[in-house]
Amino acid sequence: DAGVIQSPRHEVTEMGQEVTLRCKPISGHNSLFWYRQTMMRGLELLIYFNNNVPIDDSGMPEDRFSAKMPNASFSTLKIQPSEPRDSAVYFCASRRGTSAVIQYFGAGTRLSVL
Amino acid sequence: QKEVEQDPGPLSVPEGAIVSLNCTYSNSAFQYFMWYRQYSRKGPELLMYTYSSGNKEDGRFTAQVDKSSKYISLFIRDSQPSDSATYLCAMSDNTDKLIFGTGTRLQVFP
Repeated sequence: DAGVIQSPRHEVTEMGQEVTLRCKPISGHNSLFWYRQTMMRGLELLIYFNNNVPIDDSGMPEDRFSAKMPNASFSTLKIQPSEPRDSAVYFCASRRGTSAVIQYFGAGTRLSVL
Repeated sequence: QKEVEQDPGPLSVPEGAIVSLNCTYSNSAFQYFMWYRQYSRKGPELLMYTYSSGNKEDGRFTAQVDKSSKYISLFIRDSQPSDSATYLCAMSDNTDKLIFGTGTRLQVFP
């Protein structure tokens, strides 16, 4: 089985530009999570979905961040406008079932905002 | 105070050494405890999973949970250079969220 697939792997953009990160969860998984990882703060949960429905977006830092999951096999995380402090590695994770504990992570998108 | 505290390291040990990695936490409701391994420029991958207290062994890896002390450990026996990675502890209290430590960077030199 293919794992969680994220694209792009690397993104370099200029401040003020819109950035869209993409994620394809493992087939058959019901929940999807977006995380941000920095050296200072570690791995932080931004938002998660159960059965394509956003459940908790309390980790989304600002209104500049938005996430969608239009179907069970695709999700996006958008930053508009981007700022240098958004530079981080963004991970997507999925899990089978809405009550399972174990999450499976993608390889991440390394975002640099200049 | 963070909910989960983890020494960032780096921890540098010779090949063959026994490694001890630890996390402390403050939320007594945590019941599920995990260790993830993250290689450089890769996503975290699940290494060990324990429910409630006790020990769990898998090959060279042993996970321990002491809920009375709010302390979890991961032991690596006969450490290998391929074990060089960042180790993240993660916990959950039966809700949907995992709370992660900041990770301990381990380097095993030949």
